[in-house]
Amino acid sequence: GIQVEQSPPDLILQEGANSTLRCNFSDSVNNLQWFHQNPWGQLINLFYIPSGTKQNGRLSATTVATERYSLLYISSSQTTDSGVYFCAPRSGNTPLVFGKGTRLSVIA
Amino acid sequence: GAVVSQHPSRVICKSGTSVKIECRSLDFQATTMFWYRQFPKKSLMLMATSNEGSKATYEQGVEKDKFLINHASLTLSTLTVTSAHPEDSSFYICSARRPTGLETQYFGPGTRLLVL
Repeated sequence: GIQVEQSPPDLILQEGANSTLRCNFSDSVNNLQWFHQNPWGQLINLFYIPSGTKQNGRLSATTVATERYSLLYISSSQTTDSGVYFCAPRSGNTPLVFGKGTRLSVIA
Repeated sequence: GAVVSQHPSRVICKSGTSVKIECRSLDFQATTMFWYRQFPKKSLMLMATSNEGSKATYEQGVEKDKFLINHASLTLSTLTVTSAHPEDSSFYICSARRPTGLETQYFGPGTRLLVL
């Protein structure tokens, strides 16, 4: 099946800083989603982005499907952005496959 | 976005008992639902794909007799952990996908299971 690699595994930011999270995947995809898992475990859908660029407030994401990677940008980070960010691509009709995540801590 | 609910949100049970977790798709009919398992500080691992009206498809290494999945209607899938043991303690998350297939996969809030 598809392999997913996320980097960095851990990230500590000062409040207000910007960051880029990366997701590499091993196969062509027809879906890719970014999630934020909050401290209670709930997965929050951030983006559905099999290709192209999308923006939502301080977050934006870009997927370059031909080069098999996706990036999640967080600008002007806030303490509430802390948590784990997962990339989950999908190939064919399979379910989403999750990377190991990036654990983000934003400190005041 | 679509809403997927899970019940219970957390459960504590004695070793040897069975526990049923319900997953409901509240605003669309989900012909396909998925069950994931997450250990502390780890990623989500797919356990099985649940198809309405047919048998579930289990991932390699997942015991189908241990984790019984039933998808009896287009809005409800259940996961029963049979004869639970402490090593079954985990966070179980269900997910639903619209019948069109290529769209967003929606996730429930998860169920924390603790087996004593």
